[in-house]
Amino acid sequence: AQSVTQLDSQVPVFEEAPVELRCNYSSSVSVYLFWYVQYPNQGLQLLLKYLSGSTLVKGINGFEAEFNKSQTSFHLRKPSVHISDTAEYFCAVRKNNDMRFGAGTRLTVKP
Amino acid sequence: DTGVSQDPRHKITKRGQNVTFRCDPISEHNRLYWYRQTLGQGPEFLTYFQNEAQLEKSRLLSDRFSAERPKGSFSTLEIQRTEQGDSAMYLCASSLGRGNAKETQYFGPGTRLLVL
Repeated sequence: AQSVTQLDSQVPVFEEAPVELRCNYSSSVSVYLFWYVQYPNQGLQLLLKYLSGSTLVKGINGFEAEFNKSQTSFHLRKPSVHISDTAEYFCAVRKNNDMRFGAGTRLTVKP
Repeated sequence: DTGVSQDPRHKITKRGQNVTFRCDPISEHNRLYWYRQTLGQGPEFLTYFQNEAQLEKSRLLSDRFSAERPKGSFSTLEIQRTEQGDSAMYLCASSLGRGNAKETQYFGPGTRLLVL
């Protein structure tokens, strides 16, 4: 079975700084990879997904992620964050109907 | 564009009471999922439906939990004899349901349950 590890539970960063949220997965077979964002008291919103093809995936709100098969990683990046990016971010892997989420990374953007 | 909706958004109940939550998926979506999210954790899969058929249930779904989707549209999740450990956010998601693992799941805002 696959599992997901988000290496940082909290990431504080100043506005306009770059950020990387790390995600590693374990699976013996090919999986599909997702990043979701959750704002306070809201459900999850899809940021981006990797299904196949180019390993660099671009999503909404200026985020991108890179799939690295050899390192089994799918780190999320943004070159310049805004206050409005403050939220919880979840990495997820899916094989067939089984979607597994990481524990989440709380991104706090400070002025 | 109406996304996934859930009702109620918040529920406070006393231990031992029964509660029922409703989820309305995106209209053309055949697949509907329920997840549970506890504080500081990511969502955990509970169960999913393909149209009205409940195809999979997690071990997390104890006998006190039951989910239905009688007409293949909205779904209900009932918890009987609630326990304090049931306190969590219950999330519903839907997808087109063509049996493709690449499909995106669209999430509702969740129902936050507090059992006193």
